[in-house]
Amino acid sequence: KQEVTQIPAALSVPEGENLVLNCSFTDSAIYNLQWFRQDPGKGLTSLLLIQSSQREQTSGRLNASLDKSSGRSTLYIAASQPGDSATYLCAAFQGGSEKLVFGKGTKLTVNP
Amino acid sequence: DTEVTQTPKHLVMGMTNKKSLKCEQHMGHRAMYWYKQKAKKPPELMFVYSYEKLSINESVPSRFSPECPNSSLLNLHLHALQPEDSALYLCASTHWTGGGGELFFGEGSRLTVL
Repeated sequence: KQEVTQIPAALSVPEGENLVLNCSFTDSAIYNLQWFRQDPGKGLTSLLLIQSSQREQTSGRLNASLDKSSGRSTLYIAASQPGDSATYLCAAFQGGSEKLVFGKGTKLTVNP
Repeated sequence: DTEVTQTPKHLVMGMTNKKSLKCEQHMGHRAMYWYKQKAKKPPELMFVYSYEKLSINESVPSRFSPECPNSSLLNLHLHALQPEDSALYLCASTHWTGGGGELFFGEGSRLTVL
C-alpha cells in the first residue's frame, strides 16, 4: 500500500528565503506526482505535475523534482513571500489504479 | 478554463435531512472524484467515476450516494448523516481515466451536520 510522507509538518521562514519541502513515497510504481497548495478552508490548487518519466518541472518561483528510485520529491520555493503562506500537499498517483494518495502536508508560514 | 465548480459552498443539515452536493466541470474530463477532508488532515478518496460509471467506492457508508448524470456533472446525495460526517467535501476531475492525469479540484462544499 502506497504511503506518502511530508517533512517537515510545519515550517516558518522570513520573507525572501529560499526553501525546500520534502515528500517521500514507499511505492515507486507511480504514474505521476502532483504538488498542491491549500489555503485555509479552501480547495486544492494544482502547482506542479511531474510525470513518472520526468525529473523536474518548473513554474515561476517553484521547482519540483522527482527521484522515483529513491521515492522522493522536493518542492523548491525561491524568494518566498508572505502570500506563499499555505499548506502544501504532495500526492502520488498510484500506478495501475485511479487513486491519488496524499501526504499530510507541510504548513508554511512566511513572515514579513 | 481549468475550473471545477462546486455548490453549495456551505451546507448545514440535520441528521434526518436529505441534501445534495453538486460538482460541474466543462473541461471535457471523463474522470471525476469525490474526496472528504477533515480539519488538518489530507483529503480522503470516497468515489471515482470514469465515463459516468462508478469505478471506485472506498467502502463509503450508504448514507452517501454518488451520481454522475452526464460527463460534466457529479452529485453527492446525502441522507441520514451523522455529526462526524461534518467536513469539507471536494470534487476533482482529470482528463485521463484509469489514472495518471493532473487532478483539478473545486473549492469544496463545507458540510456541517447538527
